Amino acid sequence: LAKTTQPISMDSYEGQEVNITCSHNNIATNDYITWYQQFPSQGPRFIIQGYKTKVTNEVASLFIPADRKSSTLSLPRVSLSDTAVYYCLVGVMDSNYQLIWGAGTKLIIKP
Amino acid sequence: ETGVTQTPRHLVMGMTNKKSLKCEQHLGHNAMYWYKQSAKKPLELMFVYSLEERVENNSVPSRFSPECPNSSHLFLHLHTLQPEDSALYLCASSQDRTNTGELFFGEGSRLTVL
Repeated sequence: LAKTTQPISMDSYEGQEVNITCSHNNIATNDYITWYQQFPSQGPRFIIQGYKTKVTNEVASLFIPADRKSSTLSLPRVSLSDTAVYYCLVGVMDSNYQLIWGAGTKLIIKP
Repeated sequence: ETGVTQTPRHLVMGMTNKKSLKCEQHLGHNAMYWYKQSAKKPLELMFVYSLEERVENNSVPSRFSPECPNSSHLFLHLHTLQPEDSALYLCASSQDRTNTGELFFGEGSRLTVL
């Protein structure tokens, strides 16, 4: 099972672009990379998922280099409401059902 | 609103009580999960149900007893819990057992064991 490493915390300011990088050196061929956002006392919320290159949706972009050993979640023009914990997960929900959740990155957005 | 509803949102119970947590999903998903999230610790997978059949029991003590009467409902029955069981219990669902990881979580049930 692939293990991920992310910064414990990050600070930024409103209106800035925030990039959170996750390393996953032992990613397997069939693993997907998924990012979740969690606010206090709520369940995590799916943000974006990718396999390779770049994926973009209405809230974020995910950049994955060719070797797939890392990935970067990009949040454009953050606001105070983006203050949350962000989790990077690598895996595939096969018969093991195991997605390894790390400690996540606590992102604090300042005015 | 994620389509996954958990009740109660908050629960305080003594060590000798019996209570249940309820989860309901309206997404037509076939797989449902119970996770435990303690302070300062990563999410821990407890149980997985696929098409109402338990397919994963992640070494969870028997004082936690899951029940999945149909594909839309999941329960976690609690009895003789310990104070260290105090945590946020999260229910999640996904389309099916081969889903690539898009889980839909409820808002959680905050459990305090006195």
